[in-house]
Amino acid sequence: QKEVEQNSGPLSVPEGAIASLNCTYSDRGSQSFFWYRQYSGKSPELIMSIYSNGDKEDGRFTAQLNKASQYVSLLIRDSQPSDSATYLCAVTPPGGYNKLIFGAGTRLAVHP
Amino acid sequence: SAVISQKPSRDICQRGTSLTIQCQVDSQVTMMFWYRQQPGQSLTLIATANQGSEATYESGFVIDKFPISRPNLTFSTLTVSNMSPEDSSIYLCSVGTGGSGTDTQYFGPGTRLTVL
Repeated sequence: QKEVEQNSGPLSVPEGAIASLNCTYSDRGSQSFFWYRQYSGKSPELIMSIYSNGDKEDGRFTAQLNKASQYVSLLIRDSQPSDSATYLCAVTPPGGYNKLIFGAGTRLAVHP
Repeated sequence: SAVISQKPSRDICQRGTSLTIQCQVDSQVTMMFWYRQQPGQSLTLIATANQGSEATYESGFVIDKFPISRPNLTFSTLTVSNMSPEDSSIYLCSVGTGGSGTDTQYFGPGTRLTVL
């Protein structure tokens, strides 16, 4: 079992819709969770971090964490074509000394 | 967030040679990391660059192949030694900010390496 799993996609949504990206992780003791966006040919860009169960909102983005289910998600409201990118879920394992384990990424395509 | 630069941005190298990649940060940071992103793949941590001591390598990566230096809190280098075509990847440095347990990492622009 991979440590961090994501559906590779592509996830295709119409402009203005809500895009829902999901991630599961295997190590129950993981403490820190991050979502990065990566445009083709570019380096990953941090979107959100979340550390506690529940929702965390930042503009059009909402991260959701459920540690009991070992599940973290990212919702993008009012999706725009400029949101088309690969979204990477990253997790800090317990005792990980701040290192990150990345999922394979979900490719999002927002069409006009 | 810190401003991170990497040199070179890309290079094409012959097999058997070595390439040293530089990572420079505009402020002192505690944690620096080196990742590899192979074509079409996600990021894999190579090692944590420790200031004043040997780097901490992840499983599958060894110092002889990927020697790392970290002479101070703003600079690190990664060398890819005795390269083969399988080393063709994007190499990224990242820096960690904040306290332990809540560290957020920011990535440099990456170095795209092609080995012929």
